[in-house]
Amino acid sequence: DIVMTQSPDSLAVSLGERATINCKSSQSVLYSSNKKNYLAWYQQKPGQPPKLLIYWASTRESGVPDRFSGSGSGTDFTLTISSLQAEDVAVYYCQQYYSTPITFGQGTRLDIK
Amino acid sequence: QVQLVQSGAEVKKPGASVKVSCKASGYTFTSYGISWMRQVPGQGLEWMGWISGYNGNTNYAQKLQGRVTMTTDTSTSTAYMDLRSLRSDDTAVYYCARGSVPGTGRDQVYNWFDPWGQGTLVTVSS
Repeated sequence: DIVMTQSPDSLAVSLGERATINCKSSQSVLYSSNKKNYLAWYQQKPGQPPKLLIYWASTRESGVPDRFSGSGSGTDFTLTISSLQAEDVAVYYCQQYYSTPITFGQGTRLDIK
Repeated sequence: QVQLVQSGAEVKKPGASVKVSCKASGYTFTSYGISWMRQVPGQGLEWMGWISGYNGNTNYAQKLQGRVTMTTDTSTSTAYMDLRSLRSDDTAVYYCARGSVPGTGRDQVYNWFDPWGQGTLVTVSS
């Protein structure tokens, strides 16, 4: 199984400041034939299902604000929120879809400082 | 709009079974697969398995093999997840989610998920 490890487990950032969440996979999720990273990011608010933010490691889902961006390749990935807004308080998860079982990171809780 | 609506909360005794439904609307059901995840309250997400909306092919997490069965009813655009021999550690919120890329092959399991159902709380308690 591919183990997804996020860091940090939680962080607090001031409004308007940058937030960075890391995700590391235990093996590469870069598929050589199409040069795509099989990595997605989700946002989950209390009492709600996860909401898709990013897929293919860096493609922003339609309707997601452009302050959210994804980067990285192979085994190391980053979700960046360029200017934190109050509504961004949530738990964030990375997910690999390179192989089964599909696996998620343990989550990173983001709060306002 | 594309929507998945799940059945309501359940309370079950240890050893019993539960069947959760997931009714799809707003898209061609047979063109996409459905994955099921669960989340123990306050904890992370666990993928349980996938079923093709096209032909019912499945791919289950090894941990749940033998206890889980996923089915579909294409006439009502509904997916079902049946979990047997329930234990207290099966207490969780269960989610269905659509794979985002259309297709009919087994490779459709390799997908990100959007949208998700609203979740169904299953409580296992004596």
